[in-house]
Amino acid sequence: AQKVTQAQTEISVVEKEDVTLDCVYETRDTTYYLFWYKQPPSGELVFLIRRNSFDEQNEISGRYSWNFQKSTSSFNFTITASQVVDSAVYFCALSGLNTGNQFYFGTGTSLTVIP
Amino acid sequence: EPEVTQTPSHQVTQMGQEVILRCVPISNHLYFYWYRQILGQKVEFLVSFYNNEISEKSEIFDDQFSVERPDGSNFTLKIRSTKLEDSAMYFCASSERQGPYNSPLHFGNGTRLTVT
Repeated sequence: AQKVTQAQTEISVVEKEDVTLDCVYETRDTTYYLFWYKQPPSGELVFLIRRNSFDEQNEISGRYSWNFQKSTSSFNFTITASQVVDSAVYFCALSGLNTGNQFYFGTGTSLTVIP
Repeated sequence: EPEVTQTPSHQVTQMGQEVILRCVPISNHLYFYWYRQILGQKVEFLVSFYNNEISEKSEIFDDQFSVERPDGSNFTLKIRSTKLEDSAMYFCASSERQGPYNSPLHFGNGTRLTVT
């Protein structure tokens, strides 16, 4: 079974604070991909990152960084020096080699950055 | 940057009516998808489409739903007889290669369907 859990429903931080969004996944596939998408108030889904199960290197892109740990089945997302424009719902998603074309999304974490 | 476009952005319909949601995928993409998001809930897979046929569908995608690629650019989702519980945001997505494990899905801005 494929499952993504985002235990944090809502987070509020003050601008310039760092914030980490948690994602824990379950899969029986040995080959799988993990994704983060951002959904701003306007509603669209914006692709942020994709990682495959063979690549546990952490990644940094500007103020964003991702920490993938297979040992704990986690793929956490950190925003450094948060900005008001970061306010959005963030979804973690999983797709396994044997799940075909389906994405399995978590329930999302709503991030509010307070100026 | 090329993008997936969806029309209309908001559709209001009465229960029992048919609706067609329209999408124009990215031009060189070959795989197309519909997802939906009931307000405040997670995004759920409905159907994937490749080579003019459905490649996968979820249990949500029952006989009330159909998809079509009527020409070389549009990809549509039809709900034959809408129910209140069909109210949701519907996202179209496309990818260049098969499966999200080969290339990321690019989502459109969504169509908010409200069934009254």
